[in-house]
Amino acid sequence: EAQVTQNPRYLITVTGKKLTVTCSQNMNHEYMSWYRQDPGLGLRQIYYSMNVEVTDKGDVPEGYKVSRKEKRNFPLILESPSPNQTSLYFCASSFRVWGGVNTGELFFGEGSRLTVL
Amino acid sequence: LAKTTQPISMDSYEGQEVNITCSHNNIATNDYITWYQQFPSQGPRFIIQGYKTKVTNEVASLFIPADRKSSTLSLPRVSLSDTAVYYCLVGYQKVTFGTGTKLQVIP
Repeated sequence: EAQVTQNPRYLITVTGKKLTVTCSQNMNHEYMSWYRQDPGLGLRQIYYSMNVEVTDKGDVPEGYKVSRKEKRNFPLILESPSPNQTSLYFCASSFRVWGGVNTGELFFGEGSRLTVL
Repeated sequence: LAKTTQPISMDSYEGQEVNITCSHNNIATNDYITWYQQFPSQGPRFIIQGYKTKVTNEVASLFIPADRKSSTLSLPRVSLSDTAVYYCLVGYQKVTFGTGTKLQVIP
């Protein structure tokens, strides 16, 4: 089954304790991206990656890091989490061929709800 | 990067056609326009995508005027199961979601 898998789905942590949210896709997609969703602010892109070893900032990259060492995985790293990073996080992937049919249909994971105390 | 705005909420009766508009005045040449549906506690789900003019699939139509500064998602004959939040997404690599429209379908 084609899917994007995120782990953990739920996490409560404390300020400053480094954590990683993993994201894996089995569709051989080149493009992967991370989003956070907050009440009243909607979905905002954190980072995206066009392919292995190619990453770039979205609208809200502060406080986050990413890496793309393998095509299927795109972990989100919070080196020193703070309470303002409490949010619902989504990972997504897609093909990215400009001009192709359904260019960039994003497939989303089920979300990871993170609480930083 | 395009800034996108949508109406906060809409109500519709079952069986009616619903049109949701997204405004994206700063859309770039390479940007696509995509619409997603989201249910509580789930990730957004793809509905339809377009670049210009009109696109139709089995569940919706998307209308994009020539200047591409707005787009309209049309849902024909909505049912109760269409109650959800609808987002437009503008961009290609770096993307921006719209503010979201909460659609409530009334029996």
